[in-house]
Amino acid sequence: GENVEQHPSTLSVQEGDSAVIKCTYSDSASNYFPWYKQELGKRPQLIIDIRSNVGEKKDQRIAVTLNKTAKHFSLHITETQPEDSAVYFCAVYSGGGADGLTFGKGTHLIIQP
Amino acid sequence: DGGITQSPKYLFRKEGQNVTLSCEQNLNHDAMYWYRQDPGQGLRLIYYSQIVNDFQKGDIAEGYSVSREKKESFPLTVTSAQKNPTAFYLCASSISRAPNQPQHFGDGTRLSIL
Repeated sequence: GENVEQHPSTLSVQEGDSAVIKCTYSDSASNYFPWYKQELGKRPQLIIDIRSNVGEKKDQRIAVTLNKTAKHFSLHITETQPEDSAVYFCAVYSGGGADGLTFGKGTHLIIQP
Repeated sequence: DGGITQSPKYLFRKEGQNVTLSCEQNLNHDAMYWYRQDPGQGLRLIYYSQIVNDFQKGDIAEGYSVSREKKESFPLTVTSAQKNPTAFYLCASSISRAPNQPQHFGDGTRLSIL
């Protein structure tokens, strides 16, 4: 099955700086890569996603890049703000086997004032 | 995401007891999913359903059962065979049977052992 590795597990940045979270996956047939933000005790919320026919996608301060050859994709948050503090999960859909997403273990992003 | 309702928010299970977690959606979504989240871990797929009266096992289905008698509802039963049920359970849905569509989550049910 699909294997998703997410790094780092914890990331602390100064307010206003950029944050980058990286995920690698194992199945070259994977074709859908969403990112979720989860605040403590709350539901994961989809913040951005990308499909395998696109290399980069931006939405205001958030961007995702995909390198299919290297089988990795990254979340970029610029001009970080206190409300960006949360746990971020990457996920991968590979299309074979179970029709759900395979999630990374999450990155706890801490924005220092 | 207000269209996905999970209940109860907190649930306690006694030894040997089966408990059922409710998930209802009014988004007219075809596909529904159940995930389990353990502390410091990502989400793991328990069961999913792409259409009424059909469902499939996910990666960790042992000790769980589901039904999909109505499009809006996808209840999860945690049976006594699940020896480590303490976790945060999340239900999700997506608009179509195509699995690579965005999934939207409910607020979750936190299950603990008495």
